[in-house]
Amino acid sequence: GENVEQHPSTLSVQEGDSAVIKCTYSDSASNYFPWYKQELGKGPQLIIDIRSNVGEKKDQRIAVTLNKTAKHFSLHITETQPEDSAVYFCAASMNSGGYQKVTFGIGTKLQVIP
Amino acid sequence: GAVVSQHPSRVICKSGTSVKIECRSLDFQATTMFWYRQFPKKSLMLMATSNEGSKATYEQGVEKDKFLINHASLTLSTLTVTSAHPEDSSFYICSATWLRGGADQPQHFGDGTRLSIL
Repeated sequence: GENVEQHPSTLSVQEGDSAVIKCTYSDSASNYFPWYKQELGKGPQLIIDIRSNVGEKKDQRIAVTLNKTAKHFSLHITETQPEDSAVYFCAASMNSGGYQKVTFGIGTKLQVIP
Repeated sequence: GAVVSQHPSRVICKSGTSVKIECRSLDFQATTMFWYRQFPKKSLMLMATSNEGSKATYEQGVEKDKFLINHASLTLSTLTVTSAHPEDSSFYICSATWLRGGADQPQHFGDGTRLSIL
């Protein structure tokens, strides 16, 4: 089955600096890669996603890159703010037996220091 | 758009009680809903996948008689934890998507239910 590795597990940055979270996946059948932000006591919220026919996508301060050949994808947050502090999960999705199969990374706890 | 409502947000009950958790898609038709369990500081563990009108597909190691899932309509799925025991205490989260079999559609998550069994 699919295996998604995510690192780092914790990340502390100064407010205004950039944060980068990296993930790798193992199954080339994965073709959709969403990123989620989870705040304490809440469910994960989709912040950005990328499909396998695209190499890069940007939405304001957030960008995601995908290298299909190397099977890795990354989340970039620029000009970080204290409200960016949360746990971030990457995921890899594929069609398995007619159904969506999503594998999540272990999560990265991001702390933005004011 | 794409709002998923999960209720209740927190449940505290005695051992042996059965607990029902509801997951509703408020502004879209959810052809597929997922139920996850999350342990403290851990990732999401998929318990089962539920397609509207059919039986849920459970992940290996998840007892289907313990965790009953019903997805009777395109906007509602329920998870019932039967005869709950302290080891069932956890954070349960549902998610929904609107494209059966479509791998490239996002899952939209509810805010979770914190279940505490005394």
